[in-house]
Amino acid sequence: DQQVKQNSPSLSVQEGRISILNCDYTNSMFDYFLWYKKYPAEGPTFLISISSIKDKNEDGRFTVFLNKSAKHLSLHIVPSQPGDSAVYFCAASGAFTSGTYKYIFGTGTRLKVLA
Amino acid sequence: DTGVSQNPRHKITKRGQNVTFRCDPISEHNRLYWYRQTLGQGPEFLTYFQNEAQLEKSRLLSDRFSAERPKGSFSTLEIQRTEQGDSAMYLCASSLDRSIISDTQYFGPGTRLTVL
Repeated sequence: DQQVKQNSPSLSVQEGRISILNCDYTNSMFDYFLWYKKYPAEGPTFLISISSIKDKNEDGRFTVFLNKSAKHLSLHIVPSQPGDSAVYFCAASGAFTSGTYKYIFGTGTRLKVLA
Repeated sequence: DTGVSQNPRHKITKRGQNVTFRCDPISEHNRLYWYRQTLGQGPEFLTYFQNEAQLEKSRLLSDRFSAERPKGSFSTLEIQRTEQGDSAMYLCASSLDRSIISDTQYFGPGTRLTVL
């Protein structure tokens, strides 16, 4: 049961344009969402997060939007740069009954920014 | 840089051997997580420590796996009698208990395990 889904395995965008990465979730208990960027042979690097009390969070070129009614979030990168080429993972967390704050990750979207 | 560190970065072993990985979290972080990532998948949760207490273990963590965090600082993950299906990237993450809602985890570079 995939609770966090990234339905686009890959995305190509021209340098300078907007990149939009999407993520859907099924568990309404999730209340904290994050995006990570991963290069080959490295661990995931934290990019940006959003709690369920907000619908938007911005950090420089990165903006995350949360639509709770649709159980959907998206990451916008503007403008896209070749260095943004990586795999992007969406992750969700919540007040699990176990008391842990583990993340549930999507399967990732490989972004390629073309120069 | 005082980020999360993991050792070794790569480990090749023969089936049936035991392996141990180490994770050193960011120094003031009291929460520590282990995840496993296989090709084409996102990281999957294995286990969680709050200080030295192991509070949750995933069903993915069979009896051959054991994790410790003896003094609430570094952690070790041991796999006994390795199988080829154990081949994966093992990731460690740590976080600081700031609030109930937000818990941003910072990941180490991972240990790539190959079981021949």
